[in-house]
Parts: sequence; C-alpha cells; structure tokens
Amino acid sequence: LAKTTQPISMDSYEGQEVNITCSHNNIATNDYITWYQQFPSQGPRFIIQGYKTKVTNEVASLFIPADRKSSTLSLPRVSLSDTAVYYCLVVRMDSSYKLIFGSGTRLLVRP
Amino acid sequence: NAGVTQTPKFRILKIGQSMTLQCTQDMNHNYMYWYRQDPGMGLKLIYYSVGAGITDKGEVPNGYNVSRSTTEDFPLRLELAAPSQTSVYFCASSGTSGRGGSYEQYFGPGTRLTVT
Repeated sequence: LAKTTQPISMDSYEGQEVNITCSHNNIATNDYITWYQQFPSQGPRFIIQGYKTKVTNEVASLFIPADRKSSTLSLPRVSLSDTAVYYCLVVRMDSSYKLIFGSGTRLLVRP
Repeated sequence: NAGVTQTPKFRILKIGQSMTLQCTQDMNHNYMYWYRQDPGMGLKLIYYSVGAGITDKGEVPNGYNVSRSTTEDFPLRLELAAPSQTSVYFCASSGTSGRGGSYEQYFGPGTRLTVT
C-alpha cells in the first residue's frame, strides 16, 4: 500500500478554512484515498473518501489532482470542536480493504 | 444499532497473564479489524477478517491470536502478556463490498490495556 506523508501539526482559528495536504506518490490504480478524524480517547471516524477530482459531503471536501499523487482535505469554517488528529490513508480495492495509518496531522483550532 | 462494541474498557494485566478482548458489531459487516494505538502514534493493524472463518495477519500480529466463528464477533486473544503490549486496542468493521462501495470503517470505543 502507498505510504502517505502529511504535516505533523497545523494551527488555525475559528471560522477559517483549513486545508491539509497529503502526499501518496506510490498510489496504485486500484487505490482510493480516504480521511479519518480522531478525537482523544476515541476511535477514528470516517470523514470522506475519493478516487479523483473533487468530492464534497456535509463536513468536508476532498481535492485530488489528475496524477493522484497527493490529496487535500478542506474543512470549511472550522470550530473549536474540529481540534483533532486527521489521518490520510490509501485503501486498496482488493479483498481485504486494509487501512495503513500514518502519524496523522494534529489540528489545533484556537478561539 | 449499537455499532461496534468492545469490552472491557480498561484492563490491567500482569506480565505473563492472558486475556481476551471482545468485539461485537450489529451492522452485519463482513469485514472486521483489530488495531492497536500507542501514545502519540497512528493505529497499527494487528489482524483482520473478511468473513466468518477467515482471518489474516496485519502489520503487528506477534503475541496475538484471533478467531471469527460468527459474523458479529471478532475476539482478540493475548497470550503471555508483555509490557510492549500496553496500548489502546480498537476494533473496527466495514461493509465494503467492491468497486464504488464505501470504504468506511466503523470503530469501537477502544480498550485501554496496561501490562505491568
């Protein structure tokens, strides 16, 4: 599975848009990109997934360029409750759907 | 639906003891997973199962065993506990069925295990 690289930490303020970029240079044709959010003492929670171009749901947008070697998670107008660790993962479309977690990006939203 | 439930929430083991971490899901998911998370780190896959009776190793399987006799349950067995197994353990399940399907994994609340 493709290894992912993302910033260790980011700071933002309430009401701002936050963009977290992830690099996955060795992504394969059958791989999807997915993002999870984790609060302290809780299990990760699925945010969004995509294959190419742009995907949007009620909480975030995911931008994937044509070469698919990177992706950007966009969180519009963050609030204090968005302070969490965000993981970018590559999921292979085979029979196992295993997730390989990196260290994630620690997002701190300040008042 | 309760989703993914795990028991116990907390446990302290002495070195060399054994225990079973329980995981149950009520979403009729075929895929189930066990992860461990050490402080400040991402999750590491221990074992996974793609259906009842089928299990396979993940990244860090040594010191653990699993079984999957039913769709709902996926217990994780620790034999001869060691301090290196002190961690938070998460169970997850997924209903992924193929191309175009969601890859969302649903995680349980975790079991915090300390081995001393």
